[in-house]
Formats: sequence, structure tokens, C-alpha cells
Amino acid sequence: GAVVSQHPSWVICKSGTSVKIECRSLDFQATTMFWYRQFPKQSLMLMATSNEGSKATYEQGVEKDKFLINHASLTLSTLTVTSAHPEDSSFYICSAATGGSLYEQYFGPGTRLTVT
Amino acid sequence: AQTVTQSQPEMSVQEAETVTLSCTYDTSESDYYLFWYKQPPSRQMILVIRQEAYKQQNATENRFSVNFQKAAKSFSLKISDSQLGDAAMYFCALLFMNRDDKIIFGKGTRLHILP
Repeated sequence: GAVVSQHPSWVICKSGTSVKIECRSLDFQATTMFWYRQFPKQSLMLMATSNEGSKATYEQGVEKDKFLINHASLTLSTLTVTSAHPEDSSFYICSAATGGSLYEQYFGPGTRLTVT
Repeated sequence: AQTVTQSQPEMSVQEAETVTLSCTYDTSESDYYLFWYKQPPSRQMILVIRQEAYKQQNATENRFSVNFQKAAKSFSLKISDSQLGDAAMYFCALLFMNRDDKIIFGKGTRLHILP
């Protein structure tokens, strides 16, 4: 149980285009999802916290208009990178938490974004 | 500010031997959780072990155990009988109860297993 999927696992897009990454909790309902960014050989950096049915809370320094997060249902959150640039190339990881015990966070396998 | 520090960027251990990864943290909170996560080359984050701060007993999961020193704010991970599959990046992490539930990660320690 407690599986989180991400789609796509790898995406290449051209500079200036937008790309959407999906995060799904497959066998549980996630009231809260988190989006992280990880650069090569570095730690995970929290970008935003997403609660179902409400606006995401972004960390300081993360551009809200560039990284659009939608948590439309208890099993799905999406991250859209708008007008992508090469510096947005990174590994994006989501995690999902159950409402009862938020210390149970389950991580997705990540999405590698390459902007050319 | 809440911080998690892993002072060992890389470590190596001979297969079947024991290795200890260090982690210290800084917080004024009293209720929190500490975690060790493993990130293998696949980059899937895997929870290795969890420790509740209110518990004095050190957590253990098979070959993995922790040495939790609350007063010293230290949370080290011991891996016994190291196996080739243990090679990965290990992250120490801190989560506060009832406070936005954000996980704070350390910078990680890359563990190499020597055959």
C-alpha cells in the first residue's frame, strides 16, 4: 500500500513551452501533497505545499506564476512549469500525506525535466 | 531556524561491516519526528527508519538502528552487515508535529559499499 506515482517520469520540452507533471496517490487519499525540486547531487528543496481544494503554499523564493500547482482531488496534484527555461531543468519529486498522521509521507518516483 | 546537518558528504564501508552516518539538528521545539531516508540511483525516496522525539528508546528496523540523543540533538544511523544494495544517498530529516508538517532535509551522505 501507500504508493505514489508520477507522470511522466521523464520529459523534454522546448524553451518557452509549458509542461505538466502529475502526482497521484494510488491507494490512499492525500489531503496534503508536497512538491520538491532536486538538483544533481543535492538535497530535496521544498517548493510548495498543496492542500486539496485550496491554494498551494509556496516556499520563499519559488515563483508562484511559474510553478502552478493544482490539487483538484484527494488523489491528484499537478505541477505545471510555465514558460520553461533551461534553468528549470531539474528532478521534481512529489510526496503525499494522509490527513490523520501527516508524518506518514510517501514519495513519488520523481520526474526528470529537461528544457532545451 | 530549524536546521539539519550531515557532516559527512561521502562514506565508504566494506561489505558485511558496520557503518554509522551522523546527523545533528537544531530546534527549540519539543515534539518532532526524525527520519532517515535512502535515495538509491533510481532516485526513489525510501523511508529507512523513523524516531519520535518523545520516545527514549532508539528505533530499530532489521539491520538499521539509530542512536537518538535528544539533549545533544544528535540522530545517527547505524547500518550493520552492510550489503551492496545499501549503496545510496542517505538523508536525515526532521518533521515538526502540528506545524505545517514540512520535512526539513539534511544535505545527504553518499554511502559506498566496497565488495
